[in-house]
Amino acid sequence: SQQGEEDPQALSIQEGENATMNCSYKTSINNLQWYRQNSGRGLVHLILIRSNEREKHSGRLRVTLDTSKKSSSLLITASRAADTASYFCATDFNQAGTALIFGKGTTLSVSS
Amino acid sequence: EPEVTQTPSHQVTQMGQEVILRCVPISNHLYFYWYRQILGQKVEFLVSFYNNEISEKSEIFDDQFSVERPDGSNFTLKIRSTKLEDSAMYFCASSEDGSRGGYTFGSGTRLTVV
Repeated sequence: SQQGEEDPQALSIQEGENATMNCSYKTSINNLQWYRQNSGRGLVHLILIRSNEREKHSGRLRVTLDTSKKSSSLLITASRAADTASYFCATDFNQAGTALIFGKGTTLSVSS
Repeated sequence: EPEVTQTPSHQVTQMGQEVILRCVPISNHLYFYWYRQILGQKVEFLVSFYNNEISEKSEIFDDQFSVERPDGSNFTLKIRSTKLEDSAMYFCASSEDGSRGGYTFGSGTRLTVV
């Protein structure tokens, strides 16, 4: 399975601290995406990084991709209470890229 | 900002009954998906739909499930003869460019089978 696996499963930090979540996957990918899910809601697309990219930024988000290690990390800088959510990485299902497969997610709690 | 709309937000059904979950994808998107999430667990892929046919399906998507695009706007998931273990959040998503781009998810339908 190409399913990504996030690590850690849960993370608790204070406001202002940085949060780092990791994702590992098993086979080659075209791209890797990160999503956020607030409790009981749908998933929201955060950022996409292609297999030929190593790092990407979007606001307070920084994503890295190491295809040799088949891993990615999501860094949220200067976290806020509103960042409290579950974060999922998703990889494309096969080379045709017709569906994303999601990992189990990291639950982030940011306390003020 | 364009949204994916799902109805109903919550459905309770008796075991063995059929349910239809409805989705209105973003109008210019060509790829449609159904995922489910059992409470507190991972988001599981069910099926993808492109060009009016199923393009991929998971092992979860057995004969109990079917999808349809009955008109130019709706995308439905039918679950025949529901089981207790079908209780989950069902999410519809659409994408302009398949998994080459990001997906836009709806808010989900919480299905409870009793």
